Amino acid sequence: QVQLQESGPGLMKPSQTLSLTCTVSGGSISRGNYYWSWIRQPAGKGLEWIGRIYTTGSTNYNPSLKSRVTISVDTSKNQFSLKLSSVTAADTAVYYCARSFSGWSPYWYFDLWGRGTLVTVSS
Amino acid sequence: DIQMTQSPSSLSASVGDRVTITCRASQSIISYLNWYQQKPGKAPKLLIYAASSLQSGVPSRFSGSGSGTDFTLTISSLQPEDFATYYCQQSYNTPRSFGQGTKLEIK
Repeated sequence: QVQLQESGPGLMKPSQTLSLTCTVSGGSISRGNYYWSWIRQPAGKGLEWIGRIYTTGSTNYNPSLKSRVTISVDTSKNQFSLKLSSVTAADTAVYYCARSFSGWSPYWYFDLWGRGTLVTVSS
Repeated sequence: DIQMTQSPSSLSASVGDRVTITCRASQSIISYLNWYQQKPGKAPKLLIYAASSLQSGVPSRFSGSGSGTDFTLTISSLQPEDFATYYCQQSYNTPRSFGQGTKLEIK
C-alpha cells in the first residue's frame, strides 16, 4: 500500500530556508489523478494548507505563504519537496505531506497522510 | 479565501452519547466538504468526504450532512476511541482551508 514519509531538518535558525521532502513508497507518484500537498500544524493549533503539486508539475499555493513557498516533484525519486524561505518562529510546526484524491469525481479529499515532521525555528 | 468555522470548539460527552459537530463556510461550497479525525501525535484521518460519503473502513456510526454553507458531523453512539479532535475542510477552491477544530473530550 502507498505510504508517505516526510524528511528534513528538525531545527532551523531564523532567516534560513526550510527544505522538506516527502517520499512516496508503494506506488508511483506520477501515476493516477492525484495532487500532492503540504499542510502544517503549529503545536496545539489547527491545520494550514501550504500548497500542492499535480503529477504534471502544476502548482497552487496558499496566498498567505506564496511569496516564500516552492513545491516541486522529482518523479525519478518518487518524491515531492517543499521549500519555505526566510523562516521565523511563526513557521514552527509539524509539517505533513498528504495526497489528494478524487476518484475522477469533482470531490477532492486528503486520503493519505505522512506521519508528520516537527520543524522548530529558533535562534 | 473561504473561512471555515466549527462549533463548538470543545465538547464533553460520555460513551454512548450522540454527538453533533457543526461547520459553517463563509460562502457556499455546495457539497465540497470533508471531515477528519485527529488523535494526539497522529496525522488526521479522513472520515467523510463530499459532505456525506463515508470513507472506506470508517465505522457507520459516523455520518455527515449538509450543503451550501452549513454542515454537520454526527457520531451516533460515542465509543472510547472516538475521543479526538475533528476538523472540517473545504475542497471547493484553493486555498484549501480547515475549520479550527472541535476537541471531543470524555465527560
